Amino acid sequence: DGGITQSPKYLFRKEGQNVTLSCEQNLNHDAMYWYRQDPGQGLRLIYYSQIVNDFQKGDIAEGYSVSREKKESFPLTVTSAQKNPTAFYLCASSIGPGQEGTGELFFGEGSRLTVL
Amino acid sequence: DAKTTQPNSMESNEEEPVHLPCNHSTISGTDYIHWYRQLPSQGPEYVIHGLTSNVNNRMASLAIAEDRKSSTLILHRATLRDAAVYYCILKWRTSYDKVIFGPGTSLSVIP
Repeated sequence: DGGITQSPKYLFRKEGQNVTLSCEQNLNHDAMYWYRQDPGQGLRLIYYSQIVNDFQKGDIAEGYSVSREKKESFPLTVTSAQKNPTAFYLCASSIGPGQEGTGELFFGEGSRLTVL
Repeated sequence: DAKTTQPNSMESNEEEPVHLPCNHSTISGTDYIHWYRQLPSQGPEYVIHGLTSNVNNRMASLAIAEDRKSSTLILHRATLRDAAVYYCILKWRTSYDKVIFGPGTSLSVIP
C-alpha cells in the first residue's frame, strides 16, 4: 500500500550528537514536509520541499538540516546546534504543482526523539 | 502564524452530533479548507476538505460559510474513537506555500 514511512520510531541521543530521521514515501508526491510537535502543542513547520534538490525553511529551521536528493526521500538531521531537540517529529507529503490529486497531506507515524 | 483560529477544547456526549468551528478571516481565493485529526502519539489523519461548497464523506461533513471566513466540521454521531485533536488548516491544492498548523481543538467524548 502507498504511504509514508518514518524511522526510527523511537530514538535516544546524547547531547552534542547529530541524529538523522528518515522519511520515505511511495505516493509519487513532489511536496514533502517536516514538523515538530511538543507535548500538548500543535505542529510547527521545520522544513518543506516542493521538488527534488530544492527545499525551504519553515518557522523553526534553526538547528536542523534536510536534503532532497530523491523524490521519495526527505531525511531530517537534528544537529547539536538544536538546543532543545526532544520532541515528536512528523513527516508529511502531498502533491506538488502539476500533479493530479486532491491535495491532502499524508503523514507518517512519527519519530520520537529523546535527548539524554 | 497560523491562519486559522479554533477553540482550545470541546466536549461532546457519545452518540450526539459535534460541531467544531474554525475561523479563517484572511482566507484567499485559492485556499482549500482542510481538517485533520490526531490521536495521541500518532500522525495526523486527513478528515475532509473543501473549497466553497459543503462536503460530505464517510467520516464527517464540512460546512463552509458563504463568505468562506469560517467553517464547521460536523461529526454526526460522536463515538469514543472520535476523541482527538482536530486541526483546521488552509492549503493550496498543490502546495505552493508552506502549510501551517495551529494548536487545534482537543475533543473529549463523554460516555
